[in-house]
Amino acid sequence: AQKITQTQPGMFVQEKEAVTLDCTYDTSDPSYGLFWYKQPSSGEMIFLIYQGSYDQQNATEGRYSLNFQKARKSANLVISASQLGDSAMYFCAMVRTGANNLFFGTGTRLTVIP
Amino acid sequence: ETGVTQSPTHLIKTRGQQVTLRCSSQSGHNTVSWYQQALGQGPQFIFQYYREEENGRGNFPPRFSGLQFPNYSSELNVNALELDDSALYLCASSPRAPDINEKLFFGSGTQLSVL
Repeated sequence: AQKITQTQPGMFVQEKEAVTLDCTYDTSDPSYGLFWYKQPSSGEMIFLIYQGSYDQQNATEGRYSLNFQKARKSANLVISASQLGDSAMYFCAMVRTGANNLFFGTGTRLTVIP
Repeated sequence: ETGVTQSPTHLIKTRGQQVTLRCSSQSGHNTVSWYQQALGQGPQFIFQYYREEENGRGNFPPRFSGLQFPNYSSELNVNALELDDSALYLCASSPRAPDINEKLFFGSGTQLSVL
């Protein structure tokens, strides 16, 4: 069984500040992948960042970084220098080895305040 | 722009009817997946096709069916619509076989309302 928990239904951040969106997961598989996707009001899911369970270093993609703590089973997304365009829903998701689908959390709505 | 287009963008049906949703993937994307996203929830996996064969299915009844065509388009068909089928339906594609590090490219979805 697998589970993704995003405990923050909504978050606010001041423009140009950094924000951390929490994600914890549960799986008994040794090999898995963790993703973050952004969903603006248009509905399209946009890939942000990926972390493999065996990756030694935390993933980074531009202003996005992933704080991966394997022992705690957490994969928090850090957005630096927030912009107004970052306002959206953010979903954490996981893929297990042998599975062929993303398993999503319930999401966090981020609002960037000017 | 992900290169994945879905049609129609919005659709209203009545209970018991049948619906077909369409998706056009990027050329070369051999894998297509469909997800259902109810209001306030994360997307849930319906099924996946790889090179025109079903390659996995989520916890959805048989009245949800699909097809993938050689021209990288695909369909999601839902028979005997129920009120709970009201949701955003997302299509996602990728160029390679499913893997744990495979990034998906999503369309903007079809918003289905069942009355």
